[in-house]
Amino acid sequence: GAGVSQSPRYKVAKRGQDVALRCDPISGHVSLFWYQQALGQGPEFLTYFQNEAQLDKSGLPSDRFFAERPEGSVSTLKIQRTQQEDSAVYLCASSFLDGQETQYFGPGTRLLVL
Amino acid sequence: DAKTTQPTSMDCAEGRAANLPCNHSTISGNEYVYWYRQIHSQGPQYIIHGLKNNETNEMASLIITEDRKSSTLILPHATLRDTAVYYCIVSGLNSGYALNFGKGTSLLVTP
Repeated sequence: GAGVSQSPRYKVAKRGQDVALRCDPISGHVSLFWYQQALGQGPEFLTYFQNEAQLDKSGLPSDRFFAERPEGSVSTLKIQRTQQEDSAVYLCASSFLDGQETQYFGPGTRLLVL
Repeated sequence: DAKTTQPTSMDCAEGRAANLPCNHSTISGNEYVYWYRQIHSQGPQYIIHGLKNNETNEMASLIITEDRKSSTLILPHATLRDTAVYYCIVSGLNSGYALNFGKGTSLLVTP
């Protein structure tokens, strides 16, 4: 079956622009996660949804970052007024039921802010 | 605060077994040991996980010591495509759901 998909795969933005990154989780997966991976580092947690409810957003680095999952399926991570330090790979993962189960990752969106 | 310790890098000859160690001395009773790997420019790929018994699947074997303070991921016949960063992660009810990846072990499989 289809895995987690993300789009776009690559995004170049000028400093100050807003960007929106999309995640399509595995069909039927209840939980969805966003991670940020800086160059040479491991992924770091940003936020967690169970269905449409955002249960944890403690990892979002600033109020410029906003995530939503309005219908409990597709999720969008939005970054407003992008800064150079936002350049990273943004990874989405989903798990079948609650957040304690195995997380399956998408290929990521590589964001470069110039 | 990384809960696991892994070597920074390892080499393995193609066709040989790759044994990747991980220390997790502060693991609690309801926490699992997960292994993921990340091939260059791809998302992390789930490999295997276990609680206290050894586990095997089509990709790898996981050996967990009896005291659960360390584990070893075994790739029985490494291929060039196994070159990746391997992450050992402790996760469970007490850890929450956010996976703490740390820096992992960079495994290079050589011809």
